[in-house]
Amino acid sequence: AQTVTQSQPEMSVQEAETVTLSCTYDTSESDYYLFWYKQPPSRQMILVIRQEAYKQQNATENRFSVNFQKAAKSFSLKISDSQLGDAAMYFCAYRVGGSNYKLTFGKGTLLTVNP
Amino acid sequence: EAQVTQNPRYLITVTGKKLTVTCSQNMNHEYMSWYRQDPGLGLRQIYYSMNVEVTDKGDVPEGYKVSRKEKRNFPLILESPSPNQTSLYFCASSLLGSGANVLTFGAGSRLTVL
Repeated sequence: AQTVTQSQPEMSVQEAETVTLSCTYDTSESDYYLFWYKQPPSRQMILVIRQEAYKQQNATENRFSVNFQKAAKSFSLKISDSQLGDAAMYFCAYRVGGSNYKLTFGKGTLLTVNP
Repeated sequence: EAQVTQNPRYLITVTGKKLTVTCSQNMNHEYMSWYRQDPGLGLRQIYYSMNVEVTDKGDVPEGYKVSRKEKRNFPLILESPSPNQTSLYFCASSLLGSGANVLTFGAGSRLTVL
């Protein structure tokens, strides 16, 4: 069974600094997709970034970027120039291509941004 | 606005009293799914549907039922709720065709079973 592990239950960062959230996953599949979702206090699940496993280039979305290490099965999220609005629970998620489209989530990392 | 709408957003009920959480999407998505979120466990899939009249169990289906009679609606039914079903529930939908298709989530339904 596929598993997603987020080893940092909580992280904190100073405003304007950079923080990296870790995620590892376990799979024997070759066709899969990785996601980071953000859940602010409103509880809404918001997609932050997406990575296709077949792409070697790391995905970026403005201040958010990933370090995708396929051989190591690692998918970390880097947030640059952290802002107060980045404070949230962050979930790493995995989805197998051509499957039941289920997202398998990690347990989450709670990010605090200090002013 | 493209969205997934869940109701109710908050509900407190008692053990054994049947309840339904509705989910509706306006994006013509084939795929719909229910997740529950519990502290320290992340989100876990309850049921999913690939299209009308096609549903299947996820990882934690016990105590839940679903139906998909219309493409836009995917209600979650708790026939006899128990306290261990106290949780935050999310409905989500997406197009089929690629695992890259993004799941759009509803705003969540906080359920408390006393």
